[in-house]
Amino acid sequence: AQSVTQLGSHVSVSEGALVLLRCNYSSSVPPYLFWYVQYPNQGLQLLLKYTSAATLVKGINGFEAEFKKSETSFHLTKPSAHMRDAAEYFCAVSDGERDDKIIFGKGTRLHILP
Amino acid sequence: DGGITQSPKYLFRKEGQNVTLSCEQNLNHDAMYWYRQDPGQGLRLIYYSQIVNDFQKGDIAEGYSVSREKKESFPLTVTSAQKNPTAFYLCASSIVAGGTYEQYFGPGTRLTVT
Repeated sequence: AQSVTQLGSHVSVSEGALVLLRCNYSSSVPPYLFWYVQYPNQGLQLLLKYTSAATLVKGINGFEAEFKKSETSFHLTKPSAHMRDAAEYFCAVSDGERDDKIIFGKGTRLHILP
Repeated sequence: DGGITQSPKYLFRKEGQNVTLSCEQNLNHDAMYWYRQDPGQGLRLIYYSQIVNDFQKGDIAEGYSVSREKKESFPLTVTSAQKNPTAFYLCASSIVAGGTYEQYFGPGTRLTVT
């Protein structure tokens, strides 16, 4: 069964600094991977999705993620943080057609320091 | 605009009462999902439905029930058997069931039971 681990339940970065949110997955088959963002008291919004096309995936709001099979990782990055990026971020994995469910990580809350 | 609506945004109930949370989508999606979110726990799947008049238990179905009589509607009932019902509940949908397809989320309902 697939699983996903997000390293760090809270991450703080200064405005303008690099954002790096870590995600490692476990899957016995090539996975499908997702990053979602959740603003306070709202639902989740898809940031980006990896489906085996390109290893570097660009998403909305200037975020991107790189799939590294050798490291079983799918870390989320953004070159320069904005105050509006403060939110909770969820990494998610699925086995694609083998399973009809997506497994979510426990989330990382991103704090932006002025 | 297409999307998912959940009502109400906030719900308060006394212990021992059943309560039904509404979820409606106009995206013409076949699959719908209910998740429970608790601080630090990520999202946990309660029930999901791949097609009208059919649904499956997720990881934490005990104390909950659902129905899928219409494609656009997937209400969740939190019964008095649910031992710790206070949580944030999220409804989602996808084009079809399957981990290759991203899920679209509603704004959530925060349920407080006292």
